[in-house]
Amino acid sequence: QSALTQPASVSGSPGQSITISCTGTSSDVGGYNYVSWYQQHPGKAPKLMIYDVSDRPSGVSNRFSGSKSGNTAFLTISGLQAEDEADYYCSSYTSSSWVFGGGTKLTVL
Amino acid sequence: QLQLQESGPGLVKPSETLSLTCTVSGGSFSSSNYYWGWIRQPPGKGPEWIGSIYYSGNTYYNPSLKSRVTISVDTSKNQFSLKVRSLTAADTAVYYCACIVGGTRFDYWGQGTLVIASS
Repeated sequence: QSALTQPASVSGSPGQSITISCTGTSSDVGGYNYVSWYQQHPGKAPKLMIYDVSDRPSGVSNRFSGSKSGNTAFLTISGLQAEDEADYYCSSYTSSSWVFGGGTKLTVL
Repeated sequence: QLQLQESGPGLVKPSETLSLTCTVSGGSFSSSNYYWGWIRQPPGKGPEWIGSIYYSGNTYYNPSLKSRVTISVDTSKNQFSLKVRSLTAADTAVYYCACIVGGTRFDYWGQGTLVIASS
């Protein structure tokens, strides 16, 4: 069970859009439509932002969207705002187990 | 709205056993739609799923930790617990408990508790 692969960092200016990738295998990301994304601010617990690849929990801004192609999932944040600066983690269900990505630090310039 | 709260010691000696408890409030602990899980996050690193349990007692463990971990549930107290044996410095992390809704997503999280393995 290996961690999912994410870029270490991404950055963007306010108002721009960014996309974070999350690469796994056919046993996790590619095998199930159960990819979720979490936002984590320093010293806080992760917060669910996207689940089941592209669904948003109630209360999460529609600036956050998710998608998947093959073994790679994507989180897109449009209209970047200062408060979006945080660490982002993907996760995938895989045969009675769950695996997380290593995380991506988003910097809003 | 579900609320989860971890409790347990913040400092554990190497080779000893870590014991944490998660108390759940604000919802149905025995809902068929909920799994209960433990996740840890070493300083500066990503989260790592430790294991999960269903209210019926069925357990699921990370293969890399399975030999040292036990998760149990006490439905009468709306609690589930984690034990990690033979602790080393590599087990130092913030430990979170969480509710896995529909078995697929970590929807509700505790605030986390920092556990340091040190003598």
